[in-house]
Amino acid sequence: EVQLVESGGGLVQPGRSMKLSCAASGFTFNNYDMAWVCQAPKKGLEWVATISYDGSSTYYRDSVKGRFTISRDNAKSTLYLQMDSLRSEDTATYYCARQDYYSGDVYFDYWGQGVMVTVSS
Amino acid sequence: DTVLTQSPALAVSLGQRVTISCRASKSVSTYMHWYQQKSGQQPKLLIYSASNLESGVPSRFSGSGSGTDFTLTIDPVEADDIANYYCQQSNELPLTFGSGTKLEIK
Repeated sequence: EVQLVESGGGLVQPGRSMKLSCAASGFTFNNYDMAWVCQAPKKGLEWVATISYDGSSTYYRDSVKGRFTISRDNAKSTLYLQMDSLRSEDTATYYCARQDYYSGDVYFDYWGQGVMVTVSS
Repeated sequence: DTVLTQSPALAVSLGQRVTISCRASKSVSTYMHWYQQKSGQQPKLLIYSASNLESGVPSRFSGSGSGTDFTLTIDPVEADDIANYYCQQSNELPLTFGSGTKLEIK
């Protein structure tokens, strides 16, 4: 059974840093690209970042470029999101998601339960 | 960025057919996917690449469309289908989601 378990969220002051982790199990982690998707309270879903299966390529939405870093440790089957210079607008539930492919298309086929990040003084 | 537009809410009677629409601001070919999110839960993949039913998803769900106009159909609607439904495009970065359609029971 595929499982994605996020951790590391909580309350953080604006301008500070926080690192999220996502422990994966039930599949061969290093065969899949992985992503972070966030959801502000009572709002919709927003893609944050993606990392390739081997960590060689990363992609970010513009609003987090230069502030967030996605990384992975395939030996530990763990995905990370380092969030620096946090802003109040980064307040959201952050989901770890597995990316799967079909005929060149990509979608999120498994999601973690999410971890809440609150940026406030 | 590709903007995806969804109706905010739909009300339907149990046992009836409902179609949820998603319109893209530019063509995304068939690179469109649908997710269901129940209250307090993570999203769940229903349909990928416009019309492919994800494994384990009931056949009551179906998807169609290409280019800029897409639909998710539920027939018949069951009480368990009360949720928010999101479309998502993967034609270009950034990957974007619609704002979601809340399905309510009449």
